[in-house]
Amino acid sequence: TQLLEQSPQFLSIQEGENLTVYCNSSSVFSSLQWYRQEPGEGPVLLVTVVTGGEVKKLKRLTFQFGDARKDSSLHITAAQPGDTGLYLCAGGGYNTNAGKSTFGDGTTLTVKP
Amino acid sequence: DAGITQSPRHKVTETGTPVTLRCHQTENHRYMYWYRQDPGHGLRLIHYSYGVKDTDKGEVSDGYSVSRSKTEDFLLTLESATSSQTSVYFCATSSTDTQYFGPGTRLTVL
Repeated sequence: TQLLEQSPQFLSIQEGENLTVYCNSSSVFSSLQWYRQEPGEGPVLLVTVVTGGEVKKLKRLTFQFGDARKDSSLHITAAQPGDTGLYLCAGGGYNTNAGKSTFGDGTTLTVKP
Repeated sequence: DAGITQSPRHKVTETGTPVTLRCHQTENHRYMYWYRQDPGHGLRLIHYSYGVKDTDKGEVSDGYSVSRSKTEDFLLTLESATSSQTSVYFCATSSTDTQYFGPGTRLTVL
């Protein structure tokens, strides 16, 4: 069974601060996705990383896939209240069975104005 | 964004009654999934489908059944609702490793 552990579970910061959240596993994934979920809504895809060591930037968000494809990080620069939400990582296996993904339990981020 | 709708968006029902939730997609994605999301448990896979009439169980399938008679529709049925099935239910679709989620259905079983 592939597991993804996310840390920290909760994070509360002031507007303007930087932060990093982590997604770790002992398993190798062919790709990894990051989602953001706002209260009352479904998760929305932010990015997919597929190559070991890959770095992708989405405005103030920087995503990195570990060299061994077992972990990933999400760094937010100068956080804003609009970044508040639940951040989920999900991994696709090498032999993805019907496209199923493994989801972490998420990091709940609160950015205070 | 994949066009995924769920109905109803909210439902309150009584213990022992059957309930059916509907997921409809317009993206012609092959794979469809039903998850439940509860505090402290994240997203847990209930059932999934890899084609019309092809379905399989996920990690929390007891008390649930599914059907997929058309590519665009995936139905989740609670055969006899229990209070432990009070949750938010999400449908998702995918054509690759990436999944696209619907807006969710909040179900309360009294």
